[in-house]
Amino acid sequence: SQTIHQWPATLVQPVGSPLSLECTVEGTSNPNLYWYRQAAGRGLQLLFYSVGIGQISSEVPQNLSASRPQDRQFILSSKKLLLSDSGFYLCAWDRWDSNNEKLFFGSGTQLSVL
Amino acid sequence: RKEVEQDPGPFNVPEGATVAFNCTYSNSASQSFFWYRQDCRKEPKLLMSVYSSGNEDGRFTAQLNRASQYISLLIRDSKLSDSATYLCVVRGGYNQGGKLIFGQGTELSVKP
Repeated sequence: SQTIHQWPATLVQPVGSPLSLECTVEGTSNPNLYWYRQAAGRGLQLLFYSVGIGQISSEVPQNLSASRPQDRQFILSSKKLLLSDSGFYLCAWDRWDSNNEKLFFGSGTQLSVL
Repeated sequence: RKEVEQDPGPFNVPEGATVAFNCTYSNSASQSFFWYRQDCRKEPKLLMSVYSSGNEDGRFTAQLNRASQYISLLIRDSKLSDSATYLCVVRGGYNQGGKLIFGQGTELSVKP
């Protein structure tokens, strides 16, 4: 069965510190991978989208970067966090070529930048 | 203009009420459409896909109007457990790589 792992679940970081959030997918190959962010009381904002290894589409100008070093691994990073980076980060995957178009989400990371 | 726009919330309704959510999308080449439900600080979960012919799942009915680029979700006989944020989701066209784009969500609160 397919699963998606995202960690950590909660993170408190000081302003200016680096960030690394990791997401891995099991049970499928060549997934589309997504990083979304949700600020308190707001909708999901698409940050990065990847259709393959090394192929990253950045959706909004920001302080973050993403990498996909392996087919089923997606990493969200920052060299120096800002207060505005606080939020709920969700990793997700889907397979556009399948009949089932469901988007599978990780359990999310609540990031607080202080 | 946002790619996917939803009714601003929150919607506060009594139990048993019928409530309708609306959503519009800007890219006419969009491929497919969905409604997701999100409980507070949890990951979103698929509620239903939306087809041009309309589809129904129990108390929930979804409609798509491609000409107007409009999607709707109707909830009949609201339950307390329906309280959540409802997210309209659109899969972009081939020129967008087929990525999934979320609306900002509409919060529903069902009261006794």
